[in-house]
Amino acid sequence: DQQVKQNSPSLSVQEGRISILNCDYTNSMFDYFLWYKKYPAEGPTFLISISSIKDKNEDGRFTVFLNKSAKHLSLHIVPSQPGDSAVYFCAASPTRGGGSQGNLIFGKGTKLSVKP
Amino acid sequence: DAGVTQSPTHLIKTRGQQVTLRCSPISGHKSVSWYQQVLGQGPQFIFQYYEKEERGRGNFPDRFSARQFPNYSSELNVNALLLGDSALYLCASSPGVDNEQFFGPGTRLTVL
Repeated sequence: DQQVKQNSPSLSVQEGRISILNCDYTNSMFDYFLWYKKYPAEGPTFLISISSIKDKNEDGRFTVFLNKSAKHLSLHIVPSQPGDSAVYFCAASPTRGGGSQGNLIFGKGTKLSVKP
Repeated sequence: DAGVTQSPTHLIKTRGQQVTLRCSPISGHKSVSWYQQVLGQGPQFIFQYYEKEERGRGNFPDRFSARQFPNYSSELNVNALLLGDSALYLCASSPGVDNEQFFGPGTRLTVL
């Protein structure tokens, strides 16, 4: 049973427009959420995170929104650039680093394509 | 500064064989975690080690084992390989158990 769900396997966006990637979770014990970006032949790269005590965190073109009541988070990329084309993974953990067991729970990922 | 490094990059084994994958964490990082990423899925947690001790284990059979050395590098061992073990094996390091994890490029294991 998947605890972190990314229901859109792929998303295509025009350069300069907004990309919105969505993620849902089921475990109410999760209190720290992360987004990773992954290029082919590379490991996931940490992008942005949010603690459950916040509902928004912004870093440059990237903003993550958290709706705890809906158990939903989203990553907004504005404006989207061709270099943003990658697979984006949503991950959750009971604590900042994954808890005492270091266990990040990942979604299946969403492949973002930004077209020039 | 060097990031997390993993070796080898690619590996081909046959069913029943054993494999050892290696990981060197970022300098100063004392925690190493291992993940398995099967095609089309997100990474799945296998182990975490901190200060040479196992701190967590995911839902993997006993064929999977790991250890961490005094220099904080780590090895993941898989015995009696099955076709289903074919995956990208990712290593992640962090300063402690409660910090963001930084991933290496992974080892692509193919079991024939």
